[in-house]
Amino acid sequence: GAGVSQTPSNKVTEKGKYVELRCDPISGHTALYWYRQSLGQGPEFLIYFQGTGAADDSGLPNDRFFAVRPEGSVSTLKIQRTERGDSAVYLCASSRTGVRNEQFFGPGTRLTVL
Amino acid sequence: SQQGEEDPQALSIQEGENATMNCSYKTSINNLQWYRQNSGRGLVHLILIRSNEREKHSGRLRVTLDTSKKSSSLLITASRAADTASYFCATVNTGTASKLTFGTGTRLQVTL
Repeated sequence: GAGVSQTPSNKVTEKGKYVELRCDPISGHTALYWYRQSLGQGPEFLIYFQGTGAADDSGLPNDRFFAVRPEGSVSTLKIQRTERGDSAVYLCASSRTGVRNEQFFGPGTRLTVL
Repeated sequence: SQQGEEDPQALSIQEGENATMNCSYKTSINNLQWYRQNSGRGLVHLILIRSNEREKHSGRLRVTLDTSKKSSSLLITASRAADTASYFCATVNTGTASKLTFGTGTRLQVTL
């Protein structure tokens, strides 16, 4: 079956602009996660959804970052007033129930802020 | 924030040799997982070991866990060129539901 998909695969934007990154999880997976990975580092947790609600948003770096999952499936990560330091690969993952299960990752969106 | 460190940061071996990577973490865990990443993009889950387990096998992979030392190791036996990738350990920490906290990764290069 289809895996986790993310669009776009690459996004180049200018400092100060607004961007949206989309994640389509595996069908039937109730848990969805966003991570951010900088060059040479491991992924860092941003936010976790269980269904439609954000169960843990403790990893969001500041209020410029926001994520939604209105129907419990597709999720959008939104970044306002982008800064050069936001440049990274943004990874989305989903899991069947979210209770300490294996997570399935998408290919990521590489965001470059000029 | 990163959970801990992996050792070595980079490892180069020849095809057929075994590769061992070590991971250290800082807090109490529910389970520890190993992931592989090719070309800096999507991660692939390899194996999960729970805090009450000490060793687990999956094909050519062997994972050990020592909770008293807060460390784990991943052994890949009879390595192949296709094993070339970055390998990350990730923990689900006690009391933090299911989010993963990743280590810094080991870059493995397997040459012919």
